[in-house]
Amino acid sequence: NAGVTQTPKFRVLKTGQSMTLLCAQDMNHEYMYWYRQDPGMGLRLIHYSVGEGTTAKGEVPDGYNVSRLKKQNFLLGLESAAPSQTSVYFCASSSVRELFFGEGSRLTVL
Amino acid sequence: RKEVEQDPGPFNVPEGATVAFNCTYSNSASQSFFWYRQDCRKEPKLLMSVYSSGNEDGRFTAQLNRASQYISLLIRDSKLSDSATYLCVGSSGGSYIPTFGRGTSLIVHP
Repeated sequence: NAGVTQTPKFRVLKTGQSMTLLCAQDMNHEYMYWYRQDPGMGLRLIHYSVGEGTTAKGEVPDGYNVSRLKKQNFLLGLESAAPSQTSVYFCASSSVRELFFGEGSRLTVL
Repeated sequence: RKEVEQDPGPFNVPEGATVAFNCTYSNSASQSFFWYRQDCRKEPKLLMSVYSSGNEDGRFTAQLNRASQYISLLIRDSKLSDSATYLCVGSSGGSYIPTFGRGTSLIVHP
């Protein structure tokens, strides 16, 4: 079973470049989330979605945009990458209780 | 102040020891609580839910104290394989938006 799949798993960007992280889940979950994890900071919520066509801001939304056009997919976009966005990004989905995470996407912005 | 606070540790204990972690939360409206385990450079995975009546799963016991607004995780007979970061998670009623603590690092040594 695939569960939650994130692509790409690794990416190096130059400052100012744009990119999109894709999260796909096959569990028919309504809730989906994007977190970033930095050393000593734990997991911080960037954006989330409570259903197809909906998105909302989390704790650290600045510099990111998201879209949920299909229930199974949640896209995270960086329009103009900055070194401060160097991080590990985790996508998760949930039906209410347990969160299921993807394996993470390691992004470096030079 | 973060909504969910944890002592980052590390807790360095010998095999067979009993170790306890606490996590405090500031939002009295928080209704659901969980402990997740995260291995180095891996995604978090659910360890156990936390109920007001307490919850035990083998060597692991989780408890919730609503009056003092903290949850705890007790690990008995520690194993080398218990070495990981333990994340405390709380969420409020209504929309299920989990908030993570920064994690507590546990190192179990021979």
